[in-house]
Amino acid sequence: AQSVTQLGSHVSVSEGALVLLRCNYSSSVPPYLFWYVQYPNQGLQLLLKYTSAATLVKGINGFEAEFKKSETSFHLTKPSAHMSDAAEYFCAVSERINFNKFYFGSGTKLNVKP
Amino acid sequence: DTGVSQDPRHKITKRGQNVTFRCDPISEHNRLYWYRQTLGQGPEFLTYFQNEAQLEKSRLLSDRFSAERPKGSFSTLEIQRTEQGDSAMYLCASSIPETGTQYFGPGTRLLVL
Repeated sequence: AQSVTQLGSHVSVSEGALVLLRCNYSSSVPPYLFWYVQYPNQGLQLLLKYTSAATLVKGINGFEAEFKKSETSFHLTKPSAHMSDAAEYFCAVSERINFNKFYFGSGTKLNVKP
Repeated sequence: DTGVSQDPRHKITKRGQNVTFRCDPISEHNRLYWYRQTLGQGPEFLTYFQNEAQLEKSRLLSDRFSAERPKGSFSTLEIQRTEQGDSAMYLCASSIPETGTQYFGPGTRLLVL
């Protein structure tokens, strides 16, 4: 069975500050891990994905995430927040073999203060 | 590449009515997924197709829900005898299985009165 836990349903940072969004996963098989962003009234857009190559994954808009197997974590970071980063972020896990089902966390809303 | 499209974007219906949503995936994507997203939650898997074959359905998908992808291209999701609890955003995504990357449509927001 697979699941995702996102700690903190709301995170608020100042513009220019570090962004850290937490994701822990549970998987009985080697996982693929994803981060998606959702802007209001829009679908989800892929930020980055981990597919068993480099454990530090770089994505779009300056975001990156590190896969830590020992901690079963895949936290999302960005060194300097921008106002346009305000959105909801979802972590997801899928079985490496089939990609037949994806399990999403409940999301973290990021607020960026001027 | 025009992306994944969904129609309609919004639907308001009365309890007990039937509704149908359409999803047009990215043309070369042979896998198509349906999700339901309620306020404050992440998307919940409903079902997925590989070409025209429906390969898996979630327990969330009651008998009132049916999905089709008759020619392996667009897909429809029908909800019969809608209930207020069906109010949600219904998301469609498509992918090429080998990459694992899903591309999402903008969703159909359903409100059942």
